[in-house]
Amino acid sequence: SAVISQKPSRDICQRGTSLTIQCQVDSQVTMMFWYRQQPGQSLTLIATANQGSEATYESGFVIDKFPISRPNLTFSTLTVSNMSPEDSSIYLCSGTPNMDTEAFFGQGTRLTVV
Amino acid sequence: GENVEQHPSTLSVQEGDSAVIKCTYSDSASNYFPWYKQELGKGPQLIIDIRSNVGEKKDQRIAVTLNKTAKHFSLHITETQPEDSAVYFCAANNQAGTALIFGKGTTLSVSS
Repeated sequence: SAVISQKPSRDICQRGTSLTIQCQVDSQVTMMFWYRQQPGQSLTLIATANQGSEATYESGFVIDKFPISRPNLTFSTLTVSNMSPEDSSIYLCSGTPNMDTEAFFGQGTRLTVV
Repeated sequence: GENVEQHPSTLSVQEGDSAVIKCTYSDSASNYFPWYKQELGKGPQLIIDIRSNVGEKKDQRIAVTLNKTAKHFSLHITETQPEDSAVYFCAANNQAGTALIFGKGTTLSVSS
């Protein structure tokens, strides 16, 4: 199994600013994902990040708003840019060797935009 | 794209009873179906998964069944305990096999 650490675990940010969330995996994973989860809701996929290629964004999410880096097989970052209160949510990082084996999750980053 | 429906949204049982959560998926190409448990303030944790070449899988008090023809799969928890109280999510991989699509979740409450 893999352990995924996210930083920060929570933050309160001013609108108009940006926050970068870091995701560190203790083993190499081929695929990494970023999800958004509103309190009491399900997980919505933001994008898939694979090393050596541009992130693939889901409908409704764009690179200018959520730029992602994937410099190696154990690390990724998600930036939430030009934040508004609507961006307040829990952001989750996930990683897996391939898509028919277990996907591991970090503990999440609880973001509040004021 | 893939769509995963999950029922019920909430489930309350007495300790020792069984709990069943059901999910349906839309994409016949999906071949991997995990179940996650999420406790308050934590990330989802895999509790059991099943692949499309298997009809049933069991791990102690937890079992999952898959009906590929009907495109539905279910989580069964027997002899429930208060520590089973959490939100449970089903998921299916998408057609491209590149991501998991999650159901809306079931809040399970086990009272002693």
